[in-house]
Amino acid sequence: AQSVTQPDIHITVSEGASLELRCNYSYGATPYLFWYVQSPGQGLQLLLKYFSGDTLVQGIKGFEAEFKRSQSSFNLRKPSVHWSDAAEYFCAVGGATNKLIFGTGTLLAVQP
Amino acid sequence: NAGVTQTPKFQVLKTGQSMTLQCAQDMNHNSMYWYRQDPGMGLRLIYYSASEGTTDKGEVPNGYNVSRLNKREFSLRLESAAPSQTSVYFCASSGTGSRVTEAFFGQGTRLTVV
Repeated sequence: AQSVTQPDIHITVSEGASLELRCNYSYGATPYLFWYVQSPGQGLQLLLKYFSGDTLVQGIKGFEAEFKRSQSSFNLRKPSVHWSDAAEYFCAVGGATNKLIFGTGTLLAVQP
Repeated sequence: NAGVTQTPKFQVLKTGQSMTLQCAQDMNHNSMYWYRQDPGMGLRLIYYSASEGTTDKGEVPNGYNVSRLNKREFSLRLESAAPSQTSVYFCASSGTGSRVTEAFFGQGTRLTVV
């Protein structure tokens, strides 16, 4: 079945520290993978996407993610977190069927 | 270019009332989606339409119906609202021609059922 697991419900990091948000997916064919960010009371903004090709993808706001097929993972990283990165982050998996499933989200808090 | 437009933005219903949430996109996308967002549960897919003329159930379809009116519009209907349907609803669209794209989202509808 198509599904996404984000094992970390809530993460707190210090400003300037590095960040890694985990995402594991289940999909029976080649997945299309996405990371979205949602600030409080706002809609969803795309950070980055993977369709094919280079497994390390760059996104907006200094984020990157690496697709690891052997681990069914698509973890999101940022080398130095800014206070404005505090938000909720969602991983999503889609494919040729056009069905798009999201994870439960990771809420990021940034300490000064 | 408006993108994905949802109406209304806010709605309060009494238990048992019905309503239709409207969604329209102007990006010529093939696929459209309805999600609900509840605290701690992420976005859960209610229904989706992979292309004009088709609709499929998502993860939480019970209590909802949808209509893909044309390529632009995808509506979500609650026939008899229940307090458990209190949520924020998002419409999204994706895909142009044979090309897969990311999903673009509307601003959401905050629905309260009392």
